[in-house]
Amino acid sequence: GENVEQHPSTLSVQEGDSAVIKCTYSDSASNYFPWYKQELGKRPQLIIDIRSNVGEKKDQRIAVTLNKTAKHFSLHITETQPEDSAVYFCAAKGESSGDKLTFGTGTRLAVRP
Amino acid sequence: EAGVVQSPRYKIIEKKQPVAFWCNPISGHNTLYWYLQNLGQGPELLIRYENEEAVDDSQLPKDRFSAERLKGVDSTLKIQPAELGDSAVYLCASSVQNTGELFFGEGSRLTVL
Repeated sequence: GENVEQHPSTLSVQEGDSAVIKCTYSDSASNYFPWYKQELGKRPQLIIDIRSNVGEKKDQRIAVTLNKTAKHFSLHITETQPEDSAVYFCAAKGESSGDKLTFGTGTRLAVRP
Repeated sequence: EAGVVQSPRYKIIEKKQPVAFWCNPISGHNTLYWYLQNLGQGPELLIRYENEEAVDDSQLPKDRFSAERLKGVDSTLKIQPAELGDSAVYLCASSVQNTGELFFGEGSRLTVL
């Protein structure tokens, strides 16, 4: 089955700086890669996703890049704000893993004001 | 539009007792998921339903866990008997089909004493 590794586990940045979170996946057939944000005690919510037919996607201050050859994808947050503080999870899904969404272990991002 | 509704939000029981969690997905969402989230970890799939059919229950510990979605709408997850290691957050999610965004509920936090 699919295995997703996520780094770093914790990340602290100064407000206004950029934050980058990286994930690797094991199944080369995976074709869908979402990122979820989970604030303390709240539900995970989708913030951006990318499919394997594109290499990069951007939505305002958030961008995701995908390198299919190396089997890794990254989340980039620019001009970080205190409200960006949360746990971020990457995930991967593909037919060979039974269309099951496999999550990484999460990155706790703290944005210092 | 109402989101995914779960109940109870919190449950404290003694080991060997039974417990049940209920989930009502977003109206029109055919796919329903139950995930287990341990502290500091990403969600792990327990079971996925397409309408009333359980299409992936490979990660469900069937000796003590059971789930049902009789009419293809709301769902119940049961644990009997509960063990100390079952303490976790049980997340329900739904999607239109198993191809895109998952919408999560707030979760049911179980504490087994």
